[in-house]
Formats: sequence, C-alpha cells, structure tokens
Amino acid sequence: EAGVAQSPRYKIIEKRQSVAFWCNPISGHATLYWYQQILGQGPKLLIQFQNNGVVDDSQLPKDRFSAERLKGVDSTLKIQPAKLEDSAVYLCASSFGPSPLHFGNGTRLTVT
Amino acid sequence: EDQVTQSPEALRLQEGESSSLNCSYTVSGLRGLFWYRQDPGKGPEFLFTLYSAGEEKEKERLKATLTKKESFLHITAPKPEDSATYLCAVQPNSGGSNYKLTFGKGTLLTVNP
Repeated sequence: EAGVAQSPRYKIIEKRQSVAFWCNPISGHATLYWYQQILGQGPKLLIQFQNNGVVDDSQLPKDRFSAERLKGVDSTLKIQPAKLEDSAVYLCASSFGPSPLHFGNGTRLTVT
Repeated sequence: EDQVTQSPEALRLQEGESSSLNCSYTVSGLRGLFWYRQDPGKGPEFLFTLYSAGEEKEKERLKATLTKKESFLHITAPKPEDSATYLCAVQPNSGGSNYKLTFGKGTLLTVNP
C-alpha cells in the first residue's frame, strides 16, 4: 500500500512569512494527525482529525497555526506568521482507528 | 498529563554487544505502548504495540517487554543497520476517537562494526 505522502520536503522562509504543508494519508485511514518534531525531541501532536472533524487541537498555537481536512482525505497545515521557534520537522500521520500511526517523511521547515 | 521518559539519551554499542533501552511512562489508563524506529531524514517507522503488563513481542534482533510502569526494548547481537533513534510512545485509554500518541525524546543508538 502507498504510504503517507507529504510535500514539500524542505522549506526555508523568513520570519513573519507564511507557509503551508500538504498531506495525503493512506487510503481508507479516517484519522489524520499533524505532529511537530523539534531537533532532538520526540514528535508532539498539534492536531488530530477524525474524517474532517477535529478531535484534539489542544496543543495547536491557534494564533498562528491552522489546519483543515476538506472532504476527509487530504489535509493542509498553515503557519502565518512564522516565528524562529517554528523551525522543526512537520510530520503527518494517519491511522485506521487506534491502530499504529503510519508517518510520512515530513517537511523540514527552517525559519530565518 | 501523560509523560514518557526514555533512557539513555544516546547509546553506542559494538556490533554483537547486546543491550536494552528503557521507557518509563505515566498515563491515566494505557490503551497501548508503541515503539518506533526513526532514521535520519525519515518519519518514525512502527515496530511494536504492547497492550498489557507481561506482554512481549519480538522482531528479528528486537524484543519489547512491558510492565505497569515501563517498557524495555532489548537488542540482541545488534548490527550497524540497527543504528537509529528509537522512540517510545503511549496511547491513553481516554475513550472516544482520541488516539493520539505522546512520545518520549528517543534514544539514539549507534552500532559500530
């Protein structure tokens, strides 16, 4: 089966600019997650979708981050405006219910 | 709040030298404990899920065990290709459709030939 697809792989922006990341989950996986992984840390959940509804966004900085999952398939994560501390790898994952999460290879964001 | 602590932060082994990685956790009701492997520039790759104390799972040179407070990942006779960061995560039994994982910081394993 095809894995979780993410794009772009790398992005460099200046602070205060905006950026968007795209994710296509594994076919049939109703649950989609966005995680942030700062260098040397474990992944931290930003938002979880069940189909196109939000289940958990308690750790999403809502003043600058937004995410949507239209039609319950693809998802987009946006940052506007970016700060230096947003430099990280943004990982998308999907699962079929509580089964193991399958991760994409992430987007490495550098904010200068 | 769920917490996961992994030790050591880094481990360097010679090829064939067996060892164990530790994952201590606190969670309000455990649905599952997960082990992942992460290679540089890649996303985490699923290894095991453990659901109850006393459970063990094996895959090639890796064996994961679970108690009520911690999990161990035993590596027997490692090879250089086992070099990676190993991540531990807990999934709480919070009900509903909240399946989020809380991760530890990981253990960076280096196996020298």
